[in-house]
Amino acid sequence: GEDVEQSLFLSVREGDSSVINCTYTDSSSTYLYWYKQEPGAGLQLLTYIFSNMDMKQDQRLTVLLNKKDKHLSLRIADTQTGDSAIYFCAEILSSGNTPLVFGKGTRLSVIA
Amino acid sequence: KAGVTQTPRYLIKTRGQQVTLSCSPISGHRSVSWYQQTPGQGLQFLFEYFSETQRNKGNFPGRFSGRQFSNSRSEMNVSTLELGDSALYLCASSLGRGRGNEQFFGPGTRLTVL
Repeated sequence: GEDVEQSLFLSVREGDSSVINCTYTDSSSTYLYWYKQEPGAGLQLLTYIFSNMDMKQDQRLTVLLNKKDKHLSLRIADTQTGDSAIYFCAEILSSGNTPLVFGKGTRLSVIA
Repeated sequence: KAGVTQTPRYLIKTRGQQVTLSCSPISGHRSVSWYQQTPGQGLQFLFEYFSETQRNKGNFPGRFSGRQFSNSRSEMNVSTLELGDSALYLCASSLGRGRGNEQFFGPGTRLTVL
């Protein structure tokens, strides 16, 4: 299967950490991505992780990958109001030349 | 370096009409993919072009078509528009194809079919 699942909503207070979760069903996925979409805009690539990694950190962003449970998470430290957006998890399958398969997106609301 | 540009940004059409959307990839990028985004279905892959050839196609009817020019610019066409075609159409470009090639998205064209 090629389903990517995400919870639809997350609300956090400014300054707290946000954790957005994603599960995927295809164990052959090789690259897993996080995109951010602000209102009226396209998708912005935030970060990605290769399937042979467990963790990747990039400034305030930390990606954790649990291959056994097919679980991916994005942690945003010190969440700011500017982080309010929809976050999409996406995968590319091991066959390589395939399109991105996206989750439905998690809407993050940051309360000041 | 300029990002991915899409024109027009907004479009209103009526049922039965046809529409052409345009995408200019980042300079040097040869792969262009198109996605449809709707509240109900989320992001769904339409097609991918590389070196002027369609390399992949999603599960959409034949009313949806596209092409890519020698300068890598791409157009997609939707004929005989239906209400359900109302969506945000996103174009993404990458240097090459498949995994390891980051896809950069344009701002999208919002199509409303009345």
